Amino acid sequence: DVKVTQSSRYLVKRTGEKVFLECVQDMDHENMFWYRQDPGLGLRLIYFSYDVKMKEKGDIPEGYSVSREKKERFSLILESASTNQTSMYLCASSLSWGSTEAFFGQGTRLTVV
Amino acid sequence: QKEVEQNSGPLSVPEGAIASLNCTYSDRVSQSFFWYRQYSGKSPELIMSIYSNGDKEDGRFTAQLNKASQYVSLLIRDSQPSDSATYLCAVKPDSWGKLQFGAGTQVVVTP
Repeated sequence: DVKVTQSSRYLVKRTGEKVFLECVQDMDHENMFWYRQDPGLGLRLIYFSYDVKMKEKGDIPEGYSVSREKKERFSLILESASTNQTSMYLCASSLSWGSTEAFFGQGTRLTVV
Repeated sequence: QKEVEQNSGPLSVPEGAIASLNCTYSDRVSQSFFWYRQYSGKSPELIMSIYSNGDKEDGRFTAQLNKASQYVSLLIRDSQPSDSATYLCAVKPDSWGKLQFGAGTQVVVTP
């Protein structure tokens, strides 16, 4: 079974802090994604990566950056956390370019106070 | 206009009945369409994918696609309480792997 693991289930951070959300997948998938999920808005794509050291902006990249130094790990960075970044963050991976099924991690509920 | 639109619900369905979920999308060139199920507090899981016009059946689930109308639907037959969840419609707008999601429809199956 594909396993996508996010480092934290719940996080509480203060406004202005630098926040790191980590995601690891164990199936040698090329594609990795970060989404945030908010009530009434569904999942919105923040950033994605098709290969090591490659990254592409999604629909809502402002206030975020990403890092993919190794194939299995994709990190989401909130440079200076703000209250409007309080959300559920979901990491996903898929096998390769054109691949259809995305596998999701368990999610990180981030609260910025 | 959102790229993928769904009714938010909740859609209340008696046990044993058919649940019908609808989704419309704006990008006419989209080729791949998916339904994910998300239980409360859990992450989404893929239940159906469909790529060509018509119906695709998998157990109690049937996905229907009409590209001319930019419309995709999901039917759940013989609904069970375990089907109570939020159903997310997702569209792959290009050849890359990224997905565009709708906001989801909450389904509540009542005994």
